[in-house]
Amino acid sequence: NAGVMQNPRHLVRRRGQEARLRCSPMKGHSHVYWYRQLPEEGLKFMVYLQKENIIDESGMPKERFSAEFPKEGPSILRIQQVVRGDSAAYFCASSPGTAVDTQYFGPGTRLTVL
Amino acid sequence: RKEVEQDPGPFNVPEGATVAFNCTYSNSASQSFFWYRQDCRKEPKLLMSVYSSGNEDGRFTAQLNRASQYISLLIRDSKLSDSATYLCVVGSNAGKSTFGDGTTLTVKP
Repeated sequence: NAGVMQNPRHLVRRRGQEARLRCSPMKGHSHVYWYRQLPEEGLKFMVYLQKENIIDESGMPKERFSAEFPKEGPSILRIQQVVRGDSAAYFCASSPGTAVDTQYFGPGTRLTVL
Repeated sequence: RKEVEQDPGPFNVPEGATVAFNCTYSNSASQSFFWYRQDCRKEPKLLMSVYSSGNEDGRFTAQLNRASQYISLLIRDSKLSDSATYLCVVGSNAGKSTFGDGTTLTVKP
């Protein structure tokens, strides 16, 4: 049973470009969570999704950031018009149920904005 | 006040020492509690779940005090490989999990 998969593992973008981060949950998991970890800081919750639904996006910046988890395919975290402050590690986690269940993390995508 | 607060440390201990971490949370409706460890900016990995009755896994013991809203992790006979950042995690049944900023442990020979 493959774990949570994220790609790309490293992504370099210039200011103003778009970044697309992908997350494939563990088999049988229908709940996906995205977290951001800025350098020298802790993990910050961004968004919680189930298939085709955003359940909680209270941690998402109001502009430029969006997330989806379509019926088919991976969850996508999209950052438009990236800025240097978006440079961070973005981790995806999945669980079979709600947050009362254990979350399993992917290896993360390290985004660098030049 | 942060929803989940941890002493950031760092804790520097010799091999074989016993070390304890505490974590407090503000949401009294929280439903689930976990300790994760994170190595060198890699992904967090589950260390153990935390129950009101307390639970033990080898050298690790976790306790939950709902009345005082704190969680603890005790590591006995520390090993060099225990060096990591330990994250306290609190979840609600609405789906959101809140991570503490982590406590850094360095075990030295």
